[in-house]
Amino acid sequence: DSGVTQTPKHLITATGQRVTLRCSPRSGDLSVYWYQQSLDQGLQFLIQYYNGEERAKGNILERFSAQQFPDLHSELNLSSLELGDSALYFCASSRDLGGPGDTQYFGPGTRLTVL
Amino acid sequence: EDQVTQSPEALRLQEGESSSLNCSYTVSGLRGLFWYRQDPGKGPEFLFTLYSAGEEKEKERLKATLTKKESFLHITAPKPEDSATYLCAVRPHGGAQKLVFGQGTRLTINP
Repeated sequence: DSGVTQTPKHLITATGQRVTLRCSPRSGDLSVYWYQQSLDQGLQFLIQYYNGEERAKGNILERFSAQQFPDLHSELNLSSLELGDSALYFCASSRDLGGPGDTQYFGPGTRLTVL
Repeated sequence: EDQVTQSPEALRLQEGESSSLNCSYTVSGLRGLFWYRQDPGKGPEFLFTLYSAGEEKEKERLKATLTKKESFLHITAPKPEDSATYLCAVRPHGGAQKLVFGQGTRLTINP
């Protein structure tokens, strides 16, 4: 158990809908990262937040957005869902901004199925 | 562009048969190379971080090594419970703290 929690574990929805995925980082961690894992793309970085502020963006679609709240939990919002958005979504957390020794620990993931 | 290539894609071994997994990388300055283990339907589990060429880390039957262009994960006398997908990732220089992952090596250890 990494100490990172994600809810829900599974999510099944229809095309065009909007969903929210939730992540609670390990105690004391200030950074939260979101990754998407699909069969053909592997693990792809989406976005990073540090202490409530957006710090880095990867290939995140405009239909996707995220935020980190004062209690440091984070939410990933996916809207106008398409079939191709079906994937595993992982949250990771780290103590700091990514200096030496700053390791990302991953949560158990949310499996999103878009029908 | 930062890139990580892992080989082989899949590897099947007998219990006790040692082998190595390869991770080749092209990165604009390396600020860490990471190995993770991922079981089906689960999140990646952290194994090792390597920072400079020549560095080695060990944990039970696993040993990770790093050169300027690649990393190896050596598995000595593996057991069936070592079966998993092993992921290699790099953290490049720059403002983003993202990890760039390879596609992974799916390892199966037969009893």
